[in-house]
Amino acid sequence: EDQVTQSPEALRLQEGESSSLNCSYTVSGLRGLFWYRQDPGKGPEFLFTLYSAGEEKEKERLKATLTKKESFLHITAPKPEDSATYLCAVIQGAQKLVFGQGTRLTINP
Amino acid sequence: DTEVTQTPKHLVMGMTNKKSLKCEQHMGHRAMYWYKQKAKKPPELMFVYSYEKLSINESVPSRFSPECPNSSLLNLHLHALQPEDSALYLCASSLGPSGGSSVEQYFGPGTRLTVT
Repeated sequence: EDQVTQSPEALRLQEGESSSLNCSYTVSGLRGLFWYRQDPGKGPEFLFTLYSAGEEKEKERLKATLTKKESFLHITAPKPEDSATYLCAVIQGAQKLVFGQGTRLTINP
Repeated sequence: DTEVTQTPKHLVMGMTNKKSLKCEQHMGHRAMYWYKQKAKKPPELMFVYSYEKLSINESVPSRFSPECPNSSLLNLHLHALQPEDSALYLCASSLGPSGGSSVEQYFGPGTRLTVT
């Protein structure tokens, strides 16, 4: 069965303190790994899609990377507005997104 | 434009009420989804419509009834709900169920449902 595990569950950083979030996955035939950002009470906001090992994508202070077993979301010099829950997901079958439990990120000023 | 809209933003209903949630997208997407999200949990898939036909029902109780009147609209009809059905209901859309790329799903802001 396809499975996605995110770590850590929660992470507190000081503004400017870079770090990485981890997403480990087990899936038969990866058709896409997705990163989303979700603010409290709002819908997930799409960030990145990664398709194959070695692929990297960047957006502002965020960089997502992919290996054959895991993905990392690197956050460089974060700001308080980067505080959110970050969700990782894979596609199961043709259309079903299987999400990890998320990492709650808090950036203190 | 990657906008999915949902109405209402908030809904409070009694267990005997009938209400509907609405979702709309104008991105030309041909797949639309309903998810349910409880506090501090990830979204859970409920239904998928592909080309206006129901393609996935994740064993959702019949008190939830989806409808896709056309390729831009998705409804979720609610009847005789239970308090444990209180949650954030999210709509999403994607280009389609094809095996190619661009399978990412774009989510709406959600409807916060409270069942009393």
